Amino acid sequence: DAKTTQPTSMDCAEGRAANLPCNHSTISGNEYVYWYRQIHSQGPQYIIHGLKNNETNEMASLIITEDRKSSTLILPHATLRDTAVYYCIVRVFTGGFKTIFGAGTRLFVKA
Amino acid sequence: NAGVTQTPKFRVLKTGQSMTLLCAQDMNHEYMYWYRQDPGMGLRLIHYSVGEGTTAKGEVPDGYNVSRLKKQNFLLGLESAAPSQTSVYFCASSTYRDSYGYTFGSGTRLTVV
Repeated sequence: DAKTTQPTSMDCAEGRAANLPCNHSTISGNEYVYWYRQIHSQGPQYIIHGLKNNETNEMASLIITEDRKSSTLILPHATLRDTAVYYCIVRVFTGGFKTIFGAGTRLFVKA
Repeated sequence: NAGVTQTPKFRVLKTGQSMTLLCAQDMNHEYMYWYRQDPGMGLRLIHYSVGEGTTAKGEVPDGYNVSRLKKQNFLLGLESAAPSQTSVYFCASSTYRDSYGYTFGSGTRLTVV
């Protein structure tokens, strides 16, 4: 599976959009981009995933560049409860056992 | 629905003792996984299962054994605990198509002294 690169940490003001970048320059054509987050001491929580088209759900939006070498997770109106570690993962759609979690980005939402 | 339930939530073991961590899911998921997470690090896959009666090794399987006798349960065993196995253990499950990603349990915090 393709390796991902994320910033170690980011800050965001409460109520503003949080844009979390992820580089995955070696992504293959059949690999999807997944995002999870882990709030302190809890199990990770699935957020969203996509292949090439932009995706949106009730939690976030996922923007994937046309060449698929990078993506951005957008939390449209960040709240203090969004403070967490965010993991960007790329892998094939089936065969979930290939999910490798890296260090992620620690997002601090500040009042 | 309870989702993924892990028991126990906390445990302290002495070096050399054995124990079993239980993971139960009520979502009829085919796949189940055990991860460990050490302070300041991401999750590392220990073992996984793609169905009842089948298991396979992940990234860091040494010192652990697993069993999946029933589809809803995935057990992680430590035969002879070592201080290096002090960690937080997370169980997760998913469908084959993984349409909604993994569902994780709340974790088991294990300390080996």
